[in-house]
Parts: sequence; C-alpha cells; structure tokens
Amino acid sequence: EAQVTQNPRYLITVTGKKLTVTCSQNMNHEYMSWYRQDPGLGLRQIYYSMNVEVTDKGDVPEGYKVSRKEKRNFPLILESPSPNQTSLYFCASSFTKQGSGYEQYFGPGTRLTVT
Amino acid sequence: GENVEQHPSTLSVQEGDSAVIKCTYSDSASNYFPWYKQELGKRPQLIIDIRSNVGEKKDQRIAVTLNKTAKHFSLHITETQPEDSAVYFCAASRYSSASKIIFGSGTRLSIRP
Repeated sequence: EAQVTQNPRYLITVTGKKLTVTCSQNMNHEYMSWYRQDPGLGLRQIYYSMNVEVTDKGDVPEGYKVSRKEKRNFPLILESPSPNQTSLYFCASSFTKQGSGYEQYFGPGTRLTVT
Repeated sequence: GENVEQHPSTLSVQEGDSAVIKCTYSDSASNYFPWYKQELGKRPQLIIDIRSNVGEKKDQRIAVTLNKTAKHFSLHITETQPEDSAVYFCAASRYSSASKIIFGSGTRLSIRP
C-alpha cells in the first residue's frame, strides 16, 4: 500500500530534550516536505527536499533540522525543543504529474507537546 | 515574503446550496494552485488543482477558477452535502519547484442539514 508514515504519532517532551520525528514514504517520490499546523495559521512549510542530499528552508525553519540521506526517509530533528514548537506536524511526499502539476501525499501527523 | 490570503475563515451553508472560498496570492511567479480538504482529525488531501495556463477546471461538484491578472483563485462547491464539512486550504507554488508551497490559513466549512 502506497503511504507516508510518521513516528511517533504523539509525543510529550520537555524543553531542551532533543527529539527526532521520522518520516518514510514507499512511493519513490523525489520531493518531501515538513509542515507544522497551528490553529488559524494553516499549514506552514518548515523544510523541503527535492532529492537525496538536497534540502532547503521553507517559511519557518528556525529551531528545526532535516536530512535526506535516503530517498524514502526525511527525518525532522528538534535539537532543543521549546514550548512554541508545540504543534501538529505533517510530513508529505510528492511527485510531478506529467503536464498537470504535482500531487502531495501527507502522513498521518505527529502531535508534539513541549512543556 | 510570499503569502496566500484565504477568506472566509469560517463558512456555514445550507445543504444543497453552493459554497465559495477565495484566495489571493502575492508571488507573481506562482503558476500552480492546489486545493486540499482536511476532515476532522485527518490528514490534508488534494481535491483539485489548476495551472496558470487554465482559467477554470471542474471535477463533478467542485470547480476552481483562476484570475492571474488579479492574482485571485477560488474554490466553488455546488450542491453541498454533509460530507463536504471540513477545513479547506488553498495553496500556491511555482510548478518548477514542486516542493516550495505556500498555504492559505484555511476555511472551516460547515454544512447545515
């Protein structure tokens, strides 16, 4: 089954304790992204990747790191989490539809609470 | 920086009536405009998209229109049904950069029985 998976789905942690949220896709998509979703703010892109070892900042990259060592995986790293990073996080992968745009598949989301 | 403004933030319509959600984008180079639907507690899913070389696109009860000169695009849902209740997000990006995408803030659509 084609899918994007994220782990963990729920996480409660404390300020300053490093954490990693994993994302994996089995569709051989080149493009992957991380978003955070906050009430009233919609989806804001954190980082994106066009291919292995190619990443770039989105709109809200501060406090986050990513890596893309393999095509299927795109982990999100919070080196020193702070309460303002409490949010719902989505990973997504996408492919270009020939001649008509691209389609993004989202993972199930990770709800992170930083106390 | 680039942004996408979406209105209204909430919308309530009678079942069977039409719903319209509007978005405005700032990046003139944007040429691809997808719309996503997010049901409560679920992930966003693409429902329709349009490229800038097309003024309108329709898929059954949903349609999207684009006015590139005014940098406006809209989602139209006709004959609304209870299962249309969800949050809808518009987005804008450059087709040449499939990963960099700006989303609107979302519209919560409620369908009254």
